[in-house]
Amino acid sequence: AQSVAQPEDQVNVAEGNPLTVKCTYSVSGNPYLFWYVQYPNRGLQFLLKYITGDNLVKGSYGFEAEFNKSQTSFHLKKPSALVSDSALYFCAVREVGDYKLSFGAGTTVTVRA
Amino acid sequence: NAGVTQTPKFQVLKTGQSMTLQCAQDMNHNSMYWYRQDPGMGLRLIYYSASEGTTDKGEVPNGYNVSRLNKREFSLRLESAAPSQTSVYFCASSEWKGTLAKNIQYFGAGTRLSVL
Repeated sequence: AQSVAQPEDQVNVAEGNPLTVKCTYSVSGNPYLFWYVQYPNRGLQFLLKYITGDNLVKGSYGFEAEFNKSQTSFHLKKPSALVSDSALYFCAVREVGDYKLSFGAGTTVTVRA
Repeated sequence: NAGVTQTPKFQVLKTGQSMTLQCAQDMNHNSMYWYRQDPGMGLRLIYYSASEGTTDKGEVPNGYNVSRLNKREFSLRLESAAPSQTSVYFCASSEWKGTLAKNIQYFGAGTRLSVL
């Protein structure tokens, strides 16, 4: 069975500082990995994905994520956070051949001015 | 460009009442999904439909039924609502082609349901 862990419920950073949101996963085969963001009272929006190829994936709004197979991690990063990045972030995993995504519990990011 | 549209946006039910949540997508996607979101638990899959004419149970299907009415529409029905079904419900859709699925799921804005 596939699963995702986001070990931090909340991440607080100052504007302009680097932002990291952690994610680890568990699958029996090769993973497809995703990050989504949810702003208040909105649905989830796709940020980026890892399917195959380069371990460093670049996505929307200046976000990137690094796939690390040995550590089964897919951490989300942004070099310089903005107040507008404050939101709820979800990591998700899907095994090759499976229709279903499994989501982590989410990490609330607060960026203070 | 509407994407995924969910109705209603808000609903309050009494225990035992029934209702249907509607979802429609205009992106010609094959697959559609229903999730519930509860604090601290992320999104949990209720049911999904890999393609028109098929539906399958997800992680938390008890108390729910679904209908894939056509390629565009996928409804979720609560036959006898319970307080434990108070949640935010999201519908999503995605493309599925062959073995390399793009599977970026596109989400609706959600339905906030309270069962008293």
